[in-house]
Amino acid sequence: QKEVEQNSGPLSVPEGAIASLNCTYSDRGSQSFFWYRQYSGKSPELIMFIYSNGDKEDGRFTAQLNKASQYVSLLIRDSQPSDSATYLCAVEGINSGYALNFGKGTSLLVTP
Amino acid sequence: GAGVSQSPSNKVTEKGKDVELRCDPISGHTALYWYRQSLGQGLEFLIYFQGNSAPDKSGLPSDRFSAERTGGSVSTLTIQRTQQEDSAVYLCASTPGGNEQFFGPGTRLTVL
Repeated sequence: QKEVEQNSGPLSVPEGAIASLNCTYSDRGSQSFFWYRQYSGKSPELIMFIYSNGDKEDGRFTAQLNKASQYVSLLIRDSQPSDSATYLCAVEGINSGYALNFGKGTSLLVTP
Repeated sequence: GAGVSQSPSNKVTEKGKDVELRCDPISGHTALYWYRQSLGQGLEFLIYFQGNSAPDKSGLPSDRFSAERTGGSVSTLTIQRTQQEDSAVYLCASTPGGNEQFFGPGTRLTVL
C-alpha cells in the first residue's frame, strides 16, 4: 500500500503569517508531487506541482521537495482568510496511468 | 473554456438500486480518472481511461462497480446493487496527457 501522510490539523495561523503544510510519502519511486486546495463542498483545485528536489515558487506559494527524506511541503506566505481550506498532498503513482495517491488533507484556518 | 462537468450533482438512492454517474471531460483531454472521496477520507482512485484503450480498473472496490467511456469522451460510472458504504462524493478528473488533473464538481451519492 503506497501511502501519503498528512497531519489532519486544523492548522491555525493568523492573517499575514506563513502557513507550513507538510506531507510524507512511502513510495521512493514517486517522481511527481502535487498540492490541491479543496474548499468545503467543492472539488480539489490544483495549486502547484513539483518534480525536482528543492523549492518552487509561484506567487505566495512555495512547494518544497526532498526526495531523500520522502518529504514535500507547501508554504503559504502572507496567509489570507480566503486561504482557509483543506490542502491535499498528492503523489503520482507509477501504475494506473499515473493516477494520484492522495493524503487525507490538512485543514488550514487563517484567522483575521 | 468549459471545465469537467458531472451529473447529477446529487443522487439519493435506496440500498440495492443501481445508479449511473456521468462525466464530461474537458474537450481534447485524452485521459480520464474516477475517484471517490468518502467522509473523512482522502480521494481514492477507482478507474482510469486513456483514449480508446482498455481501462485500468485496478482501483474499483468490488465487481458492483463498472465504468465505460464512449468515443474517448463521456464516461459513465455504474454502481449496481448500491450499499450504504458506497455513499461518497464521486469525482471525475481529466488531463490532456500531462500530470495536471482537472477535477469536476463531483456527484454526491447518498445510499439510504
